[in-house]
Amino acid sequence: DQQVKQNSPSLSVQEGRISILNCDYTNSMFDYFLWYKKYPAEGPTFLISISSIKDKNEDGRFTVFLNKSAKHLSLHIVPSQPGDSAVYFCAASARRGDDMRFGAGTRLTVKP
Amino acid sequence: GAGVSQSPSNKVTEKGKDVELRCDPISGHTALYWYRQSLGQGLEFLIYFQGNSAPDKSGLPSDRFSAERTGGSVSTLTIQRTQQEDSAVYLCASSSFGTGHGYTFGSGTRLTVV
Repeated sequence: DQQVKQNSPSLSVQEGRISILNCDYTNSMFDYFLWYKKYPAEGPTFLISISSIKDKNEDGRFTVFLNKSAKHLSLHIVPSQPGDSAVYFCAASARRGDDMRFGAGTRLTVKP
Repeated sequence: GAGVSQSPSNKVTEKGKDVELRCDPISGHTALYWYRQSLGQGLEFLIYFQGNSAPDKSGLPSDRFSAERTGGSVSTLTIQRTQQEDSAVYLCASSSFGTGHGYTFGSGTRLTVV
């Protein structure tokens, strides 16, 4: 049962443009959401998070938007850089620190 | 240690053999998780340890899989009678409950069953 879904397996963007990665979830108990970034041969690293009391969280070039009614969140990267090329995983949990469910990941390629 | 350490980094085993994968979490982290990533797939939850509570084993795919965490620190994931479909990258992560910054992952163990 895939409770967290990332329907786009890959995304290609030109350097300097905006990258938008999308994530949908089905479990209404989820109230804490995170994005992880993974380079080849490395473990995923935490990127940004958002709790359900917010609809937006911004950290530098990275912004996460949450639409609870639609059970949808997105990660915006502006401007995109070639070093952002990686697999991005969306994750959700029913409470902060609880075990998370991950999406299948979206491979982002930023072309110079 | 400074990060989550997993060993071995790579393991090739023959079908039917047992394997043990080790995870050393960040010192002081009470929560420890095992995930696996099969080729082209997302991160699949396997098992979750939190302090002295009974582990959440709901993600273990079969009874050939087991895990233990000794002394609230090091964890070992054991796969008995390995099958080719067990080939994947096995990732361990730890967290300090309520940090708000999610997990810290190790680099994983790439298991290949031939």
